[in-house]
Amino acid sequence: EAQVTQNPRYLITVTGKKLTVTCSQNMNHEYMSWYRQDPGLGLRQIYYSMNVEVTDKGDVPEGYKVSRKEKRNFPLILESPSPNQTSLYFCASSLAIGLGDTQYFGPGTRLTVL
Amino acid sequence: AQSVTQLDSQVPVFEEAPVELRCNYSSSVSVYLFWYVQYPNQGLQLLLKYLSGSTLVKGINGFEAEFNKSQTSFHLRKPSVHISDTAEYFCAVSEGSNKFYFGSGTKLNVKP
Repeated sequence: EAQVTQNPRYLITVTGKKLTVTCSQNMNHEYMSWYRQDPGLGLRQIYYSMNVEVTDKGDVPEGYKVSRKEKRNFPLILESPSPNQTSLYFCASSLAIGLGDTQYFGPGTRLTVL
Repeated sequence: AQSVTQLDSQVPVFEEAPVELRCNYSSSVSVYLFWYVQYPNQGLQLLLKYLSGSTLVKGINGFEAEFNKSQTSFHLRKPSVHISDTAEYFCAVSEGSNKFYFGSGTKLNVKP
């Protein structure tokens, strides 16, 4: 089954404790992206990747890191989480973004930083 | 940067009534336009998209949207809603670049 998976689905942590949210897709998509969803703000793009070893900032990259060492994986790293990073996070992938390709979303990761 | 405006944060409607969810975007350059739906506790899934051609786009579950370039709008419509349409709907825009912009979402609440 074609899908985007994220782990963990739920995470409660404390300020400053490094964490990684994994994202994996099995559709051989070139483009992958991370979003955060906050009430009243919709989804905002954090980082995206056009292909292996190619990543770039979205609109809200502060406090986040990403890497794309393999085509299928695109982990989101919070080196020193803070309470304002409490949010619902979505990973998405698409064949390519420049041609209007559909993005496929993972189920989301709900992160709480205390 | 692109901005996407969904003026209605919540839309209550009775079952079998028609509904329109509004979306306006800021850019006047060529854009790709999308509507996504998010059911409770789930990720987003594509309802429909406009890339080029006919300005009326049909999607899944009986939804359709009309692209209006002069008004920079992409409103979503359904002639008769069902309880199962209760969800949050997001309008999104891509300029064909690498970035993707979402609106703030509209919660559709279908009442029996």
